[in-house]
Amino acid sequence: GAGVSQSPSNKVTEKGKDVELRCDPISGHTALYWYRQSLGQGLEFLIYFQGNSAPDKSGLPSDRFSAERTGGSVSTLTIQRTQQEDSAVYLCASSLHGTANYGYTFGSGTRLTVV
Amino acid sequence: GENVEQHPSTLSVQEGDSAVIKCTYSDSASNYFPWYKQELGKRPQLIIDIRSNVGEKKDQRIAVTLNKTAKHFSLHITETQPEDSAVYFCAAGSGGGADGLTFGKGTHLIIQP
Repeated sequence: GAGVSQSPSNKVTEKGKDVELRCDPISGHTALYWYRQSLGQGLEFLIYFQGNSAPDKSGLPSDRFSAERTGGSVSTLTIQRTQQEDSAVYLCASSLHGTANYGYTFGSGTRLTVV
Repeated sequence: GENVEQHPSTLSVQEGDSAVIKCTYSDSASNYFPWYKQELGKRPQLIIDIRSNVGEKKDQRIAVTLNKTAKHFSLHITETQPEDSAVYFCAAGSGGGADGLTFGKGTHLIIQP
């Protein structure tokens, strides 16, 4: 597609439930990143995928968070047993060839609210 | 790893005046410095970037300067307009991977009418 697509745009869930967030990167972009942005805060790196290689999970805040990327394209971020502190905007970005030197293109994000 | 500091966290300027946002970085290997603008409720969007082989780049009312010796770079917006109100993020990077871009914490720019 023309841009990075994320769904849903908004998600309200009850504490303790699992949620899945989806990211569809720009066609041809081999690198995909997930970031978390809490209210009024900066961009917190979560996980990075490069093609079909094993992901870099160094930014995941706990083992309740996991992500996968099927076929080197669409990615799903899963949060299990959600907590109120998980409430944030989850942004996905993709870049060409996995290099930062062309910048990232961000999706519009998923606003997650845990009640 | 890279560490990017961004100042100020909030900047309020009168419409028509200039705004300057400054960032410093720690890794001398970084060679790519983009700036992103995030309007309220929207995605961050790349507005300008600079690579280490140049010291300044301009695009209409926006310019970025880079001082590799001092490891700092700045965003300059001239003749500010209400639509410039947003959060601006600087970033530094040296290539690919999860370390590809390290972001500053953002500057909330407010344009006063």
